[in-house]
Amino acid sequence: GQNIDQPTEMTATEGAIVQINCTYQTSGFNGLFWYQQHAGEAPTFLSYNVLDGLEEKGRFSSFLSRSKGYSYLLLKELQMKDSASYLCAVRSSGAGSYQLTFGKGTKLSVIP
Amino acid sequence: DTEVTQTPKHLVMGMTNKKSLKCEQHMGHRAMYWYKQKAKKPPELMFVYSYEKLSINESVPSRFSPECPNSSLLNLHLHALQPEDSALYLCASSEGARGYTFGSGTRLTVV
Repeated sequence: GQNIDQPTEMTATEGAIVQINCTYQTSGFNGLFWYQQHAGEAPTFLSYNVLDGLEEKGRFSSFLSRSKGYSYLLLKELQMKDSASYLCAVRSSGAGSYQLTFGKGTKLSVIP
Repeated sequence: DTEVTQTPKHLVMGMTNKKSLKCEQHMGHRAMYWYKQKAKKPPELMFVYSYEKLSINESVPSRFSPECPNSSLLNLHLHALQPEDSALYLCASSEGARGYTFGSGTRLTVV
């Protein structure tokens, strides 16, 4: 089975930096994804890590440690529009196909 | 074309109705997925199609019936649904190690 944990809610101030953590336990690990989802909308892809280390993409960075089963998403220079749910998702391989399993999501509220 | 298109965007159906959700992508992705998402919950995997063949069925009730007519299309046939099946139904596609692309979803209400 798979187990993915991330905080339920976080609040941060506009212009600040926030780090959203995700821990996971899975078999057949084949990559970790971060998605952003605004209420009532589909998830949108933010980042992907399959090797250890930091991936940077503009204001967003994501880190992965496979030995620790740990990832974080770092958001810099927060903007009000960053208020959304952030979903950590682990891809596993098996039965000839890939499967993406989502954590419960972290609802981020950005305040002025 | 880098999108996954889902139709309809909204659907209201009675418990005795038969309806279908449609999903289309022209990115050449070989894997396509159906997810169900209830309010304030993460997406839950329902079905995985790989090379047009059903490879994963996550113990979904038979009132949901997937179909993959070709590599670009994925349908979800609905029959005799229950009010608790009301949710956002998301289609996604992927190819190899690249990220999943999600459609904008169909918001289904069963009355």
